[in-house]
Amino acid sequence: ETGVTQSPTHLIKTRGQQVTLRCSSQSGHNTVSWYQQALGQGPQFIFQYYREEENGRGNFPPRFSGLQFPNYSSELNVNALELDDSALYLCASSDDGADYEQYFGPGTRLTVT
Amino acid sequence: KQEVTQIPAALSVPEGENLVLNCSFTDSAIYNLQWFRQDPGKGLTSLLLIQSSQREQTSGRLNASLDKSSGRSTLYIAASQPGDSATYLCALGSNYQLIWGAGTKLIIKP
Repeated sequence: ETGVTQSPTHLIKTRGQQVTLRCSSQSGHNTVSWYQQALGQGPQFIFQYYREEENGRGNFPPRFSGLQFPNYSSELNVNALELDDSALYLCASSDDGADYEQYFGPGTRLTVT
Repeated sequence: KQEVTQIPAALSVPEGENLVLNCSFTDSAIYNLQWFRQDPGKGLTSLLLIQSSQREQTSGRLNASLDKSSGRSTLYIAASQPGDSATYLCALGSNYQLIWGAGTKLIIKP
């Protein structure tokens, strides 16, 4: 059984640029959630995808967008990067909605300069 | 709006002590509660999951309890070891998301 994987591990971008982060869900899981964790804080929910449809969204602006593919992998896209977007981005997969245990990937560390 | 608080924010204890980390929440309408461990600069490791119908879960030296009526969960670590040093986060499953506390940074001194 393959766990949740994320790519890239680290990324450095310049303010105003766009970035795409990728996540492969654990085998058999159809739900992917994305979280942003700023330094010293708990993660904040960005959005969730269930069977390729957005299933819920946190308090993030529209420049944060996502996709889920038929194989249940997912992308997080952030446009017009701001310095405050620097954070650890975590992807989690689960089975049939968020009622079930979420399994986390190792995260992508994004630095915006 | 659900709010999750973890106290203390930081804790330093000698090796071998038993300790309790606290997590409190304001809305008892939750599906589950998870405790995670996070090492510096790393991702999250799930420690224990308690479903809303359960009162506690145990794994090795770890025991987590859930009291929805009082809005509290505790993580009990027995016979602490230096390798237990990390930040411990609790997260509540509510609707489609996990709502997180800010964590307790634990240091176990050899």
